[in-house]
Amino acid sequence: GQQVMQIPQYQHVQEGEDFTTYCNSSTTLSNIQWYKQRPGGHPVFLIQLVKSGEVKKQKRLTFQFGEAKKNSSLHITATQTTDVGTYFCAVTQGGSEKLVFGKGTKLTVNP
Amino acid sequence: DGGITQSPKYLFRKEGQNVTLSCEQNLNHDAMYWYRQDPGQGLRLIYYSQIVNDFQKGDIAEGYSVSREKKESFPLTVTSAQKNPTAFYLCASTRLGGYQPQHFGDGTRLSIL
Repeated sequence: GQQVMQIPQYQHVQEGEDFTTYCNSSTTLSNIQWYKQRPGGHPVFLIQLVKSGEVKKQKRLTFQFGEAKKNSSLHITATQTTDVGTYFCAVTQGGSEKLVFGKGTKLTVNP
Repeated sequence: DGGITQSPKYLFRKEGQNVTLSCEQNLNHDAMYWYRQDPGQGLRLIYYSQIVNDFQKGDIAEGYSVSREKKESFPLTVTSAQKNPTAFYLCASTRLGGYQPQHFGDGTRLSIL
């Protein structure tokens, strides 16, 4: 079935540094969603990308979908302690209503 | 406010015991899902349902059972056949069609006594 590789698994940064997490697939994706899970919390939907080369921004967060629709990235500019959590990508499994989640990138921020 | 309610927040299971986790949503969503989350493993799909009285196995259905008698409710039973049930269980729901985002409950943390 559909698989998506997410890297890195962990990232520790100093407050104010940038952060990027990547999701990669060996097959062309129809869409990709990004979620954030705060420590002790549940995943919360951030954004969805569906078009080749699409770029979307939410304040300090920038989401990109690759031209070939096989990879995506989430970039946070000037991290803050409120950015702490695990970021997951998720893709729709071909023609179904199921999502396949990456294993997530756990971000810690040193104040 | 609309949302998904999972209960209990914490649950302990004895050896050989079945336990049932509750999930209720008032978002009028058609599809509901159960995920298991282990450290470093992401979310793995246990079961999902797109319509009342119908459900499908996910990637790790062995040792679990579900029912969908009402649109709003999708309880998960962790049976004694599930030998390693200690995990964080998340319920989610979504509208059908067009790559809809999933909405999650707060989760139930299950531990073995």
